[in-house]
Amino acid sequence: AQSVTQLGSHVSVSEGALVLLRCNYSSSVPPYLFWYVQYPNQGLQLLLKYTTGATLVKGINGFEAEFKKSETSFHLTKPSAHMSDAAEYFCAVSVVRGKLIFGQGTTLQVKP
Amino acid sequence: DVKVTQSSRYLVKRTGEKVFLECVQDMDHENMFWYRQDPGLGLRLIYFSYDVKMKEKGDIPEGYSVSREKKERFSLILESASTNQTSMYLCASSLTRGFPSSGANVLTFGAGSRLTVL
Repeated sequence: AQSVTQLGSHVSVSEGALVLLRCNYSSSVPPYLFWYVQYPNQGLQLLLKYTTGATLVKGINGFEAEFKKSETSFHLTKPSAHMSDAAEYFCAVSVVRGKLIFGQGTTLQVKP
Repeated sequence: DVKVTQSSRYLVKRTGEKVFLECVQDMDHENMFWYRQDPGLGLRLIYFSYDVKMKEKGDIPEGYSVSREKKERFSLILESASTNQTSMYLCASSLTRGFPSSGANVLTFGAGSRLTVL
């Protein structure tokens, strides 16, 4: 069965510092992987997705993620954090028939 | 822009009341989903639907039912609300049931409905 584990429920970085949010997945088939972001009092919006092809995926707002099959990971990074990046981030894996399985979420705090 | 609209942002209900959460999408999407979001648990799938009048249970369907009479509308029903159903409810839709297809699995979410059951 597919599953997703996000390491760290809260991550705190200083403005301008590297952002690294960790995601590991379990899937019996080649996965489709996603990162979604949720700003306060809003629904989730797509940051980026991996389907096939290039393993380094670029998303919106300067975020990127690398699919590493050998490590079953799909970590999210951004070279320089902005205050506006403060939000909750969800990693997800696609199962058959279009369903997504989500991780527990990581809240990113950006300190000035 | 693709839009998913949830009719109520905040609801307060009493234990035992029947609760309807409505969701409408304007993108002609085939698939619609109801998730529940709780701190530390992420999003958990309650029910989903791939077509009109069709529904399938997700991971936590107990205490919930759904209705999809029209393609654009997917309703979540709590027959008798309980305090442990206090939560944020998120509706989402996606284009097709096709797998694999790069766009098929991208979910578009509504803003959420925060339900408090007293």
